[in-house]
Amino acid sequence: DIQMTQSPSTLSASVGDRVTITCRASQNINGWLAWYQHKPGKAPNLLIYMASSLESGVPSRFSGSGSGAEFTLTISSLQPDDFATYYCQQYNSYPRTFGQGTKVEIK
Amino acid sequence: QVQLVQSGAEVKKPGASVRVSCKASGYTFTDYYIHWVRQAPGQGLEWMGWMSSNNGGSGYAQKFQGRVTMTRDTSISTAYMDLSRLKSDDTAVYYCARERGHTTSFRYFDYWGPGTLITVSS
Repeated sequence: DIQMTQSPSTLSASVGDRVTITCRASQNINGWLAWYQHKPGKAPNLLIYMASSLESGVPSRFSGSGSGAEFTLTISSLQPDDFATYYCQQYNSYPRTFGQGTKVEIK
Repeated sequence: QVQLVQSGAEVKKPGASVRVSCKASGYTFTDYYIHWVRQAPGQGLEWMGWMSSNNGGSGYAQKFQGRVTMTRDTSISTAYMDLSRLKSDDTAVYYCARERGHTTSFRYFDYWGPGTLITVSS
């Protein structure tokens, strides 16, 4: 199974901050990586697919980058609605695996 | 618009079975795979398995092999996830999610259901 490791686990930031979350796979996943935003009591929301493609309707302050086994999600200017938990997920192979999540908290 | 509507919360006793349903609308049900993902309290997202809404083919995470079955009723555009021999650590919110497409480029989850809380308690 491909292990996905996110860092940090928790991130404290202020509105307007630039935020970066890292996701590392245990092997090359060929860029088949998605990022989701998850808020309590809600369904996860797709932000980024194919490592760097922005899902339709997602604000442009979200961006993804990376290749091979190392990826990042960046929020260019954190907004109040962005405080949530973020997960990376590989879809290169089965079983699909998620990172453990990064909780973005208000500083 | 695409919607996935799930069945309501349930409380089950250890050893029992549960069925969670996921009714799709706004798209051709048989054109897309459905996956199931769960989140235990205070934990992250855990993938359980997939099902082809077209031919009913399925595949499960090894952890759930022998306890989970994913099926569908195409006449009502509904997917089902059955989990048997429930244990207290099966207490979780269970989500269905649609996979965007059949080639690797599109095998991410573009729409999710709202989740169904299953509580396993004696």
